[in-house]
Amino acid sequence: AQRVTQPEKLLSVFKGAPVELKCNYSYSGSPELFWYVQYSRQRLQLLLRHISRESIKGFTADLNKGETSFHLKKPFAQEEDSAMYYCALRSGNTGKLIFGQGTTLQVKP
Amino acid sequence: DAGITQSPRHKVTETGTPVTLRCHQTENHRYMYWYRQDPGHGLRLIHYSYGVKDTDKGEVSDGYSVSRSKTEDFLLTLESATSSQTSVYFCAISNSHLSNTEAFFGQGTRLTVV
Repeated sequence: AQRVTQPEKLLSVFKGAPVELKCNYSYSGSPELFWYVQYSRQRLQLLLRHISRESIKGFTADLNKGETSFHLKKPFAQEEDSAMYYCALRSGNTGKLIFGQGTTLQVKP
Repeated sequence: DAGITQSPRHKVTETGTPVTLRCHQTENHRYMYWYRQDPGHGLRLIHYSYGVKDTDKGEVSDGYSVSRSKTEDFLLTLESATSSQTSVYFCAISNSHLSNTEAFFGQGTRLTVV
């Protein structure tokens, strides 16, 4: 079965601390994985995609096929990073996304 | 922001009444999707469309129907609303079935069924 799991509902850290939001997936095939972010009162927007191997707003995510994980990391959290983060797996060739349950990141001053 | 708007933004309706949510895009994207967002479940796909008059079911399609009579509009209908359909509904669009393609989301519609 295709599935995305984000085990943490809430992650609370202090400003300047490292952040790791966990994401594990189940998929038979070559996965396409994304992180989407939803800031307060804003629409969901793409943060990064695994195939690009990019760093956006200081965030990175590496696909680990052995551990079936795509954890999101940032070395030094900022207050403006506070948001809901969703890991998503692209399913099939119609662009459908399977989302994890979401993790709320709270960065305290 | 991608040209995608949802209407209404908020709605309160009574159990048993029909409700239609509208998603309108100005990007001429082929694919359109309806998701619902619930605490503890993330976003779950209700229905999607891969072209005019071409639609298919998603993970949680029971109690919902959709229509796409033109490229820019994708309607979601709750035939007879139930309290379990109280949720935030998001429309999304995508331009391609190819890998690495980004999906763009609307602002969401908050629906309360009383």
